[in-house]
Formats: sequence, structure tokens, C-alpha cells
Amino acid sequence: GDSVTQMEGPVTLSEEAFLTINCTYTATGYPSLFWYVQYPGEGLQLLLKATKADDKGSNKGFEATYRKETTSFHLEKGSVQVSDSAVYFCALSDLNYRGFKTIFGAGTRLFVKA
Amino acid sequence: GAGVSQSPSNKVTEKGKDVELRCDPISGHTALYWYRQSLGQGLEFLIYFQGNSAPDKSGLPSDRFSAERTGGSVSTLTIQRTQQEDSAVYLCASSLGDREGETQYFGPGTRLLVL
Repeated sequence: GDSVTQMEGPVTLSEEAFLTINCTYTATGYPSLFWYVQYPGEGLQLLLKATKADDKGSNKGFEATYRKETTSFHLEKGSVQVSDSAVYFCALSDLNYRGFKTIFGAGTRLFVKA
Repeated sequence: GAGVSQSPSNKVTEKGKDVELRCDPISGHTALYWYRQSLGQGLEFLIYFQGNSAPDKSGLPSDRFSAERTGGSVSTLTIQRTQQEDSAVYLCASSLGDREGETQYFGPGTRLLVL
């Protein structure tokens, strides 16, 4: 079945450092890919998404490119801020006989130090 | 319009008691998911409803857990004979269920503590 694997955390960075959180997936179909974020004390919300190969999703300085050849959707940001401290979830949405089903990775906690 | 709502926001119960958690999805969303989140990080899939199809119960951890969705809208997650390891935040999410690249919208969660 479909699955999402993302790097284990926690990831601890200093402010202005470069961030990469790796995400790879397996899917039977041609999924859409997502990154969701959960800030401390808040609910999960969509950060960015891409629906086809080579598409780049971007939001709040974060980017991720849909790489079909490597089945990956790594999250990057050039210069992190303390306010980026959160848990990041990679996810895919794929079509099955019921409809579009979303599957999440386990999450990666990011700590950014001032 | 309103987002996904869940009730209660917090629930404290004694080991062995049954609890019911409620989710009101966004109107018109045919897909509804329940997840469990422990230690503020991992997201564990529990069950998925899509329209009138039989639910995907593959994530339910034991037969003490069950869920139903009435009229294609409100859903109730029931945990029977609660155990301390059931303590977690239970999240509900909904989505349109019928289109590529659709976003899942999460409720605020129910924080369950089993003493």
C-alpha cells in the first residue's frame, strides 16, 4: 500500500540556517504531495502542496519539489527563523476505490534556536 | 463557514470507562478521518470514512475502538474500557474527498487523559 517516510527528528538548527527535511513516498497511483505544519499549541494546517511531477510548492519561504524519479518531496528553507519551530508532516493523497485518501508521515519536529 | 469542530476539547476519565468523542466536519466534505497524536508529534491513522463506502478501519488499534458516521456528516469515535495508553490527542479531519490535490482540514482535537 501507499506510504510516506520522513526523516526522524528532532532537528535543531540555529536561526538563519538552511533547512532540509527529507520525505520519500511509495504509491500505487500518481499521488498529490503535501507538507502540513503544526505550530506549538495550534492545529495542523497545510503548508504547501504539488500535484504533478516537477511541480514546486512554496509558501512562507518553504519550498518542495515533486520528484517522481526519486519518489521524493523534500522540504527546504534557505534561512529558518525561531517562529518556524513546529512539527512538519509530509503527506500524499492518492485515488483508491473509495475516493482520494490522504496518508501522513510520522512528522519531524524542528527546533530553531535564536 | 465554520471549520472542523470537535468535542469535548478535554476529557479526563478513569481506566475502564467508555468515552465518546465527536467530530463535526466541514459541510459538504465527504471524507472524514480520525487520527491519534501522542507526545505532540506522531500522527497515527485510525479510521477513514468516504461517502457511503464502507469505512477503512485498518488503523484501529484494537476492538475497543469503533467509529460511526451518521448521515454522512457527524462522526463519533468510541473507546470502550479505556486504558492509560489510550491517553492522547484525538484529531479529526475532513476533506472534499473527490478531487486531486485537495486539502485536509483539521479540528482542534480532543485531549483524552485516562487515569
